[in-house]
Amino acid sequence: ETGVTQSPTHLIKTRGQQVTLRCSSQSGHNTVSWYQQALGQGPQFIFQYYREEENGRGNFPPRFSGLQFPNYSSELNVNALELDDSALYLCASSYNYGYTFGSGTRLTVV
Amino acid sequence: GQQLNQSPQSMFIQEGEDVSMNCTSSSIFNTWLWYKQDPGEGPVLLIALYKAGELTSNGRLTAQFGITRKDSFLNISASIPSDVGIYFCAGPSSNTGKLIFGQGTTLQVKP
Repeated sequence: ETGVTQSPTHLIKTRGQQVTLRCSSQSGHNTVSWYQQALGQGPQFIFQYYREEENGRGNFPPRFSGLQFPNYSSELNVNALELDDSALYLCASSYNYGYTFGSGTRLTVV
Repeated sequence: GQQLNQSPQSMFIQEGEDVSMNCTSSSIFNTWLWYKQDPGEGPVLLIALYKAGELTSNGRLTAQFGITRKDSFLNISASIPSDVGIYFCAGPSSNTGKLIFGQGTTLQVKP
């Protein structure tokens, strides 16, 4: 079985720009969650998608948005990037509570 | 909102020593999960606990689900250098059902 794959692995963007991060789910997992992990902190829940519908959202502004596709892969979009958006962004696919995390995308906003 | 508090924040031990770390909350959790994160990687599930009082082992790792459902601990016996990493506890929020993570315990092992 394939794991969770995220792309790109690293990214540098300028404040105010927009970014799209991608995630391919583990086979058989119909739910995908996105987390933001600042340096030295635990992952913070951004939102979750189940069968292409948003199924819960954490305390993040609307400029954080997402999509889930029929093959259960997913995108995280962030508009109007701010310096504080610099973090490791983790995608996790799941079936019930069997969360499998990808290796993350390291986003640096300058 | 619900929070998970981990202690200690960091540990520096000698290879071969046993390690114990805790996770506590002011609210009840019905599932406790322990993850390990290596540098540059995502968290990997070590142990899942689903029942109050449950004691579960995975090799040299042992974790327990506290009777009050407000705490859990993780023990590592006979530590080795590859145990180095950040250990997170996590549980599903009673409000949203989505995973909440503690702030992590960083473990360093001296050969």
